[in-house]
Amino acid sequence: GIQVEQSPPDLILQEGANSTLRCNFSDSVNNLQWFHQNPWGQLINLFYIPSGTKQNGRLSATTVATERYSLLYISSSQTTDSGVYFCAVVGTSGSRLTFGEGTQLTVNP
Amino acid sequence: DTAVSQTPKYLVTQMGNDKSIKCEQNLGHDTMYWYKQDSKKFLKIMFSYNNKELIINETVPNRFSPKSPDKAHLNLHINSLELGDSAVYFCASSQYSRTGELFFGEGSRLTVL
Repeated sequence: GIQVEQSPPDLILQEGANSTLRCNFSDSVNNLQWFHQNPWGQLINLFYIPSGTKQNGRLSATTVATERYSLLYISSSQTTDSGVYFCAVVGTSGSRLTFGEGTQLTVNP
Repeated sequence: DTAVSQTPKYLVTQMGNDKSIKCEQNLGHDTMYWYKQDSKKFLKIMFSYNNKELIINETVPNRFSPKSPDKAHLNLHINSLELGDSAVYFCASSQYSRTGELFFGEGSRLTVL
């Protein structure tokens, strides 16, 4: 099945800093999503982005499907951005979302 | 109104007991799922139903039995609970099984003592 690798596994930032999270995948995809799991355990949809670029406030994402990666940008980070960020994909020959292992983000005040 | 809701949020039970988790979605989606998140935060699909029909059944002990009475509901029953079943179980739904955006419930934390 498709492999999903996220980097870095852990990231510690000071409030106000910018960051880039990366998701590499091993095959062509027809579905890619980014989720944020907050410290209370809720899984929140950030982007549905199998290709192209999207922005939502301080967050933006870009998926370069031909090169098999996606990037999540967080600008002017806030303590409420802390949590785990997951990338999940469905390969073109697959039938279910496969999750990466996540990036644990800690934003310190 | 919560889009995907599951109950209960917390279950604490003894080994050998049976427990159920219920899930309902009001998004009008055709496909519903159960995911398991282990202590290392890894999310793995267990089951998926499309319009009440089982379409994904991962390698899960047969002590776990999903049931979908209609396309808005998906329940999970677990028999003879074991210590290793302790995890957070997430219900989710999407309009399409492969290309649809997935939405999660708040999770049900199961602790087996």
